[in-house]
Amino acid sequence: KNQVEQSPQSLIILEGKNCTLQCNYTVSPFSNLRWYKQDTGRGPVSLTIMTFSENTKSNGRYTATLDADTKQSSLHITASQLSDSASYICVVSTRFFYGGATNKLIFGTGTLLAVQP
Amino acid sequence: DVKVTQSSRYLVKRTGEKVFLECVQDMDHENMFWYRQDPGLGLRLIYFSYDVKMKEKGDIPEGYSVSREKKERFSLILESASTNQTSMYLCASSRDRGQELFFGSGTQLSVL
Repeated sequence: KNQVEQSPQSLIILEGKNCTLQCNYTVSPFSNLRWYKQDTGRGPVSLTIMTFSENTKSNGRYTATLDADTKQSSLHITASQLSDSASYICVVSTRFFYGGATNKLIFGTGTLLAVQP
Repeated sequence: DVKVTQSSRYLVKRTGEKVFLECVQDMDHENMFWYRQDPGLGLRLIYFSYDVKMKEKGDIPEGYSVSREKKERFSLILESASTNQTSMYLCASSRDRGQELFFGSGTQLSVL
């Protein structure tokens, strides 16, 4: 069964500290993996996309890693800010065939991050 | 910037009412989606559409229907609202299948 599991469920850190969020998946065949950030009361917004051949990708203070062999991804946040308080959702895309090849998205349940002053 | 607009941020409805949730995107995207988001369950796909007049069931279509009469507009319909449909509803669009989703701000629906 295609699944995406995220840990921890929630996390509290102090402003300025670093943190790492984890995503493990059992999705096959793998197409890509995205991390989304969802602020309270808003829709999710894409932070990064990782394809099979990519190990690391950065977007400002956010760095995502992917280990396709162990089917694990992490999102590292450097020098956290209060505005980083949000839910972070890992989404894995798998291919299926619907009128031609297309993709299905498997969502994790998210990690809720609270950054305190 | 892509903009996905959902008509209501908050809705309160009574059990048995017919409920319409409207979604409009302004980037000429082919693909549109309706998700519901519940604590501990993540986002679950209700219905999606890859073209005008086209609709397909997602993972949890029971109790819902959709309409896509125009490319930019995708409506979610609750024929007879029930309390277990209380949830956050998120509309999304994408240019390519399986690629980046652009979400609206969501509609928090409460069915009493």
